[in-house]
Amino acid sequence: SQQGEEDPQALSIQEGENATMNCSYKTSINNLQWYRQNSGRGLVHLILIRSNEREKHSGRLRVTLDTSKKSSSLLITASRAADTASYFCATARTSGTYKYIFGTGTRLKVLA
Amino acid sequence: GAVVSQHPSWVICKSGTSVKIECRSLDFQATTMFWYRQFPKQSLMLMATSNEGSKATYEQGVEKDKFLINHASLTLSTLTVTSAHPEDSSFYICSASVPGQGARGIQYFGAGTRLSVL
Repeated sequence: SQQGEEDPQALSIQEGENATMNCSYKTSINNLQWYRQNSGRGLVHLILIRSNEREKHSGRLRVTLDTSKKSSSLLITASRAADTASYFCATARTSGTYKYIFGTGTRLKVLA
Repeated sequence: GAVVSQHPSWVICKSGTSVKIECRSLDFQATTMFWYRQFPKQSLMLMATSNEGSKATYEQGVEKDKFLINHASLTLSTLTVTSAHPEDSSFYICSASVPGQGARGIQYFGAGTRLSVL
């Protein structure tokens, strides 16, 4: 399977704490994206990091990318109950057919 | 921002019937749309890539006669689950990318369709 792996599979933290999720992938990529999915809903794009970038910030989100290790991490700082959702990384390959490979996802629960 | 509308959000049907799911890009033209299937607490599995004006590209293991995809216009792609059976029950999600960003740009997702086959 080409699917990426994410860890942890589930994470439960207190409001105000930071949450870190990791994503590993298998092929060379053009970019890596993180998405959030609330239960029973579609996905919402959070952040895109290109293969030549190492770190990117957006509000309370910080994403890092290590292409040598084929891994990425998503850090959510000062978490809120509204951050409770599943988080997926998705990679776009550098060549071949255009398609996205989604990671297995991390289910984050932020306790108020 | 780019908006993708998916309809219906929930459908219940009898075994043996066909169900059509629509995916529309509301404020942009999408030459490529993607259809995914998601089982409970699992990730998204790409089923097929829908290209406007041409045949869809199906992923390995996905029956093209079972899951018919039509992308007749730049704003509409449809997925028809033919002769649905209980094992087809799942959450189906479509996505599209904004032209200019390329197919490797940000994907905008519909809200998903929950299909329950009795």
